[in-house]
Amino acid sequence: QITLKESGPTLVKPTQTLTLTCTVSGVSLSARGVGVGWLRQPPGKAPEWLALIYWNDDERYSPTLNRRLSIAKGTSGNQVVLTMTNMDLADTATYYCALKYFWNGYPSTWGQGTLVTVSS
Amino acid sequence: DIQMTQFPSTLSASVGDRVTITCRASQNVRRWLAWYQQKPGKAPNVLIYDASSLESGVPSRFSGSGSGTEFTLTISSLQPDDFATYYCQQYNTSSQTFGPGTKVEFK
Repeated sequence: QITLKESGPTLVKPTQTLTLTCTVSGVSLSARGVGVGWLRQPPGKAPEWLALIYWNDDERYSPTLNRRLSIAKGTSGNQVVLTMTNMDLADTATYYCALKYFWNGYPSTWGQGTLVTVSS
Repeated sequence: DIQMTQFPSTLSASVGDRVTITCRASQNVRRWLAWYQQKPGKAPNVLIYDASSLESGVPSRFSGSGSGTEFTLTISSLQPDDFATYYCQQYNTSSQTFGPGTKVEFK
């Protein structure tokens, strides 16, 4: 069974940098075709793709947010880390990580999500 | 970016009703479209991918159709567990945009 779980701060201040970790079990992040991405969902709104990293370290970013985002695999081998700089009140959202295979266009397995609030 | 619209935004229905939700794309996305169900406090759960393929484990009362710019999600006989918000998502482009959602509520 494949599971993903997000972890990180629940509260950040404006202008700070957010770092979130996705811990994956049940699949190897180095297996061909495996990708892990991050999405977010502001309260009452639709989800939005942020970033994705594939088994071969190919990185993809949202065109509108790419200047603020960085995605990387963690040193443990089963983690993916998202960094978002210059956080703003509008970045308050539930952040999800999700599994996406290279040959599928859609994220097939999602984590439970973590609510991040931006407030001074 | 490709813009996705959905209608209706809210749908009132009863158990046993046939329900149809429409999703439109601002550009041709071929058949690269998925439908998700989301319940409060939970992550979205994929129902349909590639416009009409049923994800494993999803009940057969859910079906999808369409191609190009217009798509539909149909629930043939609404069950109590189906009251939720439904989103479409295009993945024809790397931006993979979602529709604004359709909330299915008790009539």
